[in-house]
Amino acid sequence: DVKVTQSSRYLVKRTGEKVFLECVQDMDHENMFWYRQDPGLGLRLIYFSYDVKMKEKGDIPEGYSVSREKKERFSLILESASTNQTSMYLCASSLARRSNQPQHFGDGTRLSIL
Amino acid sequence: KQEVTQIPAALSVPEGENLVLNCSFTDSAIYNLQWFRQDPGKGLTSLLLIQSSQREQTSGRLNASLDKSSGRSTLYIAASQPGDSATYLCAVSNTGNQFYFGTGTSLTVIP
Repeated sequence: DVKVTQSSRYLVKRTGEKVFLECVQDMDHENMFWYRQDPGLGLRLIYFSYDVKMKEKGDIPEGYSVSREKKERFSLILESASTNQTSMYLCASSLARRSNQPQHFGDGTRLSIL
Repeated sequence: KQEVTQIPAALSVPEGENLVLNCSFTDSAIYNLQWFRQDPGKGLTSLLLIQSSQREQTSGRLNASLDKSSGRSTLYIAASQPGDSATYLCAVSNTGNQFYFGTGTSLTVIP
């Protein structure tokens, strides 16, 4: 089974801090994704990556950046955290571009910015 | 941009009942559609993926159908059980890469 692991289940940070969320997958998937999930808004894509050192913006990239230095690891960075970034953050991976294979999700990180 | 709608937002049924969850999407030129289950405070678990060339997929008591021309998919759950209680999400991809999600249907199966 595919395992997508997010480093923290719960995280509390202060406004203005630089925040790192880490995600690791163990199935050699090419694609990795970062979403945020908010009540009434559903899941919205922040960034995704098809390969090492490659990234593409999703629907809501403002205030975020990403890093993919190794194939199995995809990091989401909040450069200067703000209260409107309080949310549930979900990482996902899938086999390859246009592979018709499902996305697999981690358990999520519930981030609170005070 | 693809828009995905799931109605109703919440549904309660007695145990043993068969039920249907609905998903509609605005752009019929899809690559595939995926149904997920999400338990409270958890990530998403993939249930079924339907390719654009397929009309349905089945896994155990679950059956998902796809009608691209009308922009609709349904998830049929047979003989519902309390353990089926969760939020069910539909996600559509036009390119095989980026998925657009509905806001989900929260299902409660009453023992």
